[in-house]
Amino acid sequence: QVQLVESGGGVVQPGGSLRLSCAATGFAFSSHGMHWVRQAPGKGLEWVVHIGQNANNKNYAASVKGRFTISRDNSENTVYLQMNSLRAEDTAVYYCAKDYYWAFDYWGQGTLVTVSS
Amino acid sequence: QTVVTQEASFSVSPGGTVTLTCGLNSGSVSTRHYPSWYRQTPGQAPRTLISTTNTRSSGVPDRFSGSILGDRAALTITGAQADDESHYYCMLYVTSGVWMFGGGTKLTVL
Repeated sequence: QVQLVESGGGVVQPGGSLRLSCAATGFAFSSHGMHWVRQAPGKGLEWVVHIGQNANNKNYAASVKGRFTISRDNSENTVYLQMNSLRAEDTAVYYCAKDYYWAFDYWGQGTLVTVSS
Repeated sequence: QTVVTQEASFSVSPGGTVTLTCGLNSGSVSTRHYPSWYRQTPGQAPRTLISTTNTRSSGVPDRFSGSILGDRAALTITGAQADDESHYYCMLYVTSGVWMFGGGTKLTVL
């Protein structure tokens, strides 16, 4: 049974940093790309970033390029999102999702990031 | 700037059929955009319904179907039920390495 469990969310001041983790179980993690998707309070879904199965391929939304960095540890079945220079507009629930043919097939339950002074 | 468009809201009667659509402000949607569809109820994580235009995810009833209609991707729900009331999001692979969601459609069943 596929499970994705995000952690690392919390409250951070503008300009601060936070690292999110997504622990994966129930599938061959190293054979699949992974994504992060976020949802600001009361708003729609926004794709944030993708990492390929071997971490050589990384793609970022324009809104986070240069501030966020995705990485993965295939030995730990975990994908990370390092978020720097955080802004109020980065406040959102962050979901990790498993890549499936240019879409997602499984989602985590999300972790809330609040950027506020 | 590329924008993925969806109807803001739609309503359907119980037992009825509704088609939600997904467009691109820069042109036509085709299978090369690998359209996918997701459903989300308040406070819950999204759930995948359809990938690659028309492939239903595991456990999704065949009342849900995906297609290309004209220049848009489409999600058709037949035999609408009360618990189909939800937000529906489409997503497109708009260019190499870039995915984009539509703004979502709030579906009401009444």
